[in-house]
Order: sequence, then structure tokens, then C-alpha cells
Amino acid sequence: DIQMTQSPSTLSASVGDRITITCRASQRISSWLAWYQHKPGKAPKFLIYKASSLESGVPSRFSGSGSGTEFTLTISSLQPEDFATYYCQQYNSYPLTFGGGTKVEI
Amino acid sequence: QVRLQESGPGLVKPSETLSLTCTVSGGSISPYYWSWIRQSPGKELEWIGYIDYSGDTKFNPSLKSRVTISGDTSKNQLSLKLSSVTAADAAVYYCARASALVGAADAFDIWGQGTMVTVSS
Repeated sequence: DIQMTQSPSTLSASVGDRITITCRASQRISSWLAWYQHKPGKAPKFLIYKASSLESGVPSRFSGSGSGTEFTLTISSLQPEDFATYYCQQYNSYPLTFGGGTKVEI
Repeated sequence: QVRLQESGPGLVKPSETLSLTCTVSGGSISPYYWSWIRQSPGKELEWIGYIDYSGDTKFNPSLKSRVTISGDTSKNQLSLKLSSVTAADAAVYYCARASALVGAADAFDIWGQGTMVTVSS
């Protein structure tokens, strides 16, 4: 199985900050990586696919980059509604696997 | 707007079979792929398996021997059965739709809110 490792596990930030979350794959996964936002009690929200493509309706302050084994999710100017947990997921091969999550908190 | 709603018993006894349903509203099961994903307390999200629009399935090898996923197009529902449960199967269970976007197959564009399952006698 491909292991996905996210860092940091928790990130403290303020409104307006630029933040970056890193996701590392244990094997090369080309660009087959997705990012999700999850708030407690809510359905996870699809943000980015193919490492850098923004899902329709997702604000442009979100961006993704990377290929191979190292990927990043950047939020250019953190908004109050962005405080949540973020997960990466590889879909290069089965079984599909997720990172452990990064909680973005105030 | 497509919505997914998981439902089922919140409490299952050890060694019994966990049975959950995912109801799809605002859209059709076809022609998508549908997955079940779970998250145990303090653990990572774990992909359980998928069913496609033709009824073909694929499972995580770690759970394959105990998992059944099926679909009912007439009711627009998916179901998950996990047999011989133990405390390790306690989790929030999600159903999710695989994206139809080019380059996003096997990424999940719509999720349910999840349903918590406890395993206890």
C-alpha cells in the first residue's frame, strides 16, 4: 500500500495568513492526488484533484502543487471558514489511501 | 444537488455483521462509482471498497474477506455489509461518489456526512 504522510498534523494560524500543508507519498504517484477539507459533523469537501486542478466552486485562494512523491496545499489568505482538517488522498493505485490529516486551527 | 445520506444501526455486537445504507438523492447512481470509506477514532481515513455502475466491485485487501458492497438502482441506494466485526471496526462510515472529471477518477467529489458505528456487546 502507498503510505501518505501529512505535515504538520496541526497548524495554528490567523485570518489572512498564507499556509502550506505538505503531503508525501511512500511511492511515486505521478499527479494522482486529491485534497479534501473536512469540518466536524459535515461531509468532506472535494477541493483539488490531479495535484493542482481546482474543483469547480472552490475559491481561488486554494492551490495545490507537486508531483511524484511530494505535494503541497496552499491557502493564500486564510478565511474564517477555512479552519478545518485537510486530507490528501492518492489515487494512483489500489488500495486508495489517505493522509492522516492536518488540522488548521486559530 | 446530489446528496448522500448514510444510515444504519449505530451499535453492533462483536462477531455480528454491520449493515449500512447510503441513499442518493438529487441524482442517479448510474453511471458513477461509489465507495465506502471509514475513519476510526484517531486513525486515518480508510478506503473500504467501491461498486461501479455495472455492479462490479473492488475492495481493500485488508477487508476483502469480510466486505460486501451492493447497489439498488430502483431505490438509488448503496449498501455495505461488514461481517465478523470487532472493536477495531468501530468508526464513522462514509459513502462517497467518485468524480467523473477527467483526471479525477477515484477521487471523491461528493461525500455523505457519515454515520458512527460502535461495536460493543
